[in-house]
Amino acid sequence: GAVVSQHPSRVICKSGTSVKIECRSLDFQATTMFWYRQFPKQSLMLMATSNEGSKATYEQGVEKDKFLINHASLTLSTLTVTSAHPEDSSFYICSARDLQGQTQYFGPGTRLLVL
Amino acid sequence: AQTVTQSQPEMSVQEAETVTLSCTYDTSESDYYLFWYKQPPSRQMILVIRQEAYKQQNATENRFSVNFQKAAKSFSLKISDSQLGDAAMYFCAYRAGTYKYIFGTGTRLKVLA
Repeated sequence: GAVVSQHPSRVICKSGTSVKIECRSLDFQATTMFWYRQFPKQSLMLMATSNEGSKATYEQGVEKDKFLINHASLTLSTLTVTSAHPEDSSFYICSARDLQGQTQYFGPGTRLLVL
Repeated sequence: AQTVTQSQPEMSVQEAETVTLSCTYDTSESDYYLFWYKQPPSRQMILVIRQEAYKQQNATENRFSVNFQKAAKSFSLKISDSQLGDAAMYFCAYRAGTYKYIFGTGTRLKVLA
């Protein structure tokens, strides 16, 4: 099946620094990628929809200046958490929609810990 | 607004037995997709099964099958011959035309040896 990778798998950073997370579709082209956040023992909450070559669409309540999304190619989207704070600590998951569009394939997630 | 509800926070099943996980949803759309995803301790989301709303026939994938009741807006997952490796969080998800997924709150499945 389709494979989506994320890098890094785990990151620890100091408060106030920025962290970039990459999401790649390895064997298919993805015009749309999605970024989710998952708190412990909770469901996935959609943060934003990333479209190749255009601006991301953010869900209500998600600060676009804090969570910068870039979808520069059909296989790569990045999420940058700017000026990270401890409350940004979470599990971030990306997914990619293939060109046929019916199913999303999920990356393995990135665990972010902000000290 | 569309919503997805999983009313069972946790379920247990004996190995080799059958268990059914419940999911209900609310939508005014007529064309949509429903999914069950499994999230093991590794936290990798794995697609278990998919159902197109326009199909009356219930989807099946080996030991996994769904009971899709469109009028009742119900989409339950049946796992037959449960195995230890089935232990995980199971999320029901809904998707309509915007391709955005709406997830339920999840059901933690424990498989007892």
